Amino acid sequence: EIVLTQSPGTLSLSPGERATLSCRASQSVSSSYLAWYQQKPGQAPRLLIYGASSRATGIPDRFSGSGSGTDFTLTISRLEPEDFAVYYCQQYGSSQITFGQGTRLEIK
Amino acid sequence: EVQLVESGGGLVQPGGSLKLSCAASGFTFSGSAMHWVRQASGKGLEWVGRIRSKANSYATAYAASVKGRFTISRDDSKNTAYLQMNSLKTEDTAVYYCTRFYGGSFDYWGQGTLVTVSS
Repeated sequence: EIVLTQSPGTLSLSPGERATLSCRASQSVSSSYLAWYQQKPGQAPRLLIYGASSRATGIPDRFSGSGSGTDFTLTISRLEPEDFAVYYCQQYGSSQITFGQGTRLEIK
Repeated sequence: EVQLVESGGGLVQPGGSLKLSCAASGFTFSGSAMHWVRQASGKGLEWVGRIRSKANSYATAYAASVKGRFTISRDDSKNTAYLQMNSLKTEDTAVYYCTRFYGGSFDYWGQGTLVTVSS
């Protein structure tokens, strides 16, 4: 099973700042199968990024994904108030799917 | 409009059984792989298992934590997926989400249904 480790656990930033979230895999992940989700309290997760770098439908261009192999990054260029939430990375490989433990993005 | 609506959650005793349903609309259900993902209160997301489409022989796969206890099935005539949970443990307590898998990620999610395993 591929283990995904997200860092930091909590990120405290102010609106307008840039956020950089990391997702590191215990073994190489196909870039085609690395995704990022946003989850707000009481809501289901929402797909932000698929294929490591492609934005899902309706996702603002301030969200971007990058990376390959074992290191992936989600960047939010300028934080809006509605961006403060928990973010998860997810990988698919060999019929098994795993999620990172999440990064909580909180208002400073 | 795409909708995934889970139902069937509730309170069950340890060792008991429960069957969740996921009713889908707004997309081609029969051609889609459907997965279940759960989330314990205050915790992260955990993949539970999946069922592929008829074209992929309705193949199933499960997380190690539920294998042998949980069974995923589907009825394409009703656009519904199911999660049969047997031998439930307290650690199975969570919100269970039904979600569509497409191209390596989960693009549609239900609102979730709460399962509480407690005596």
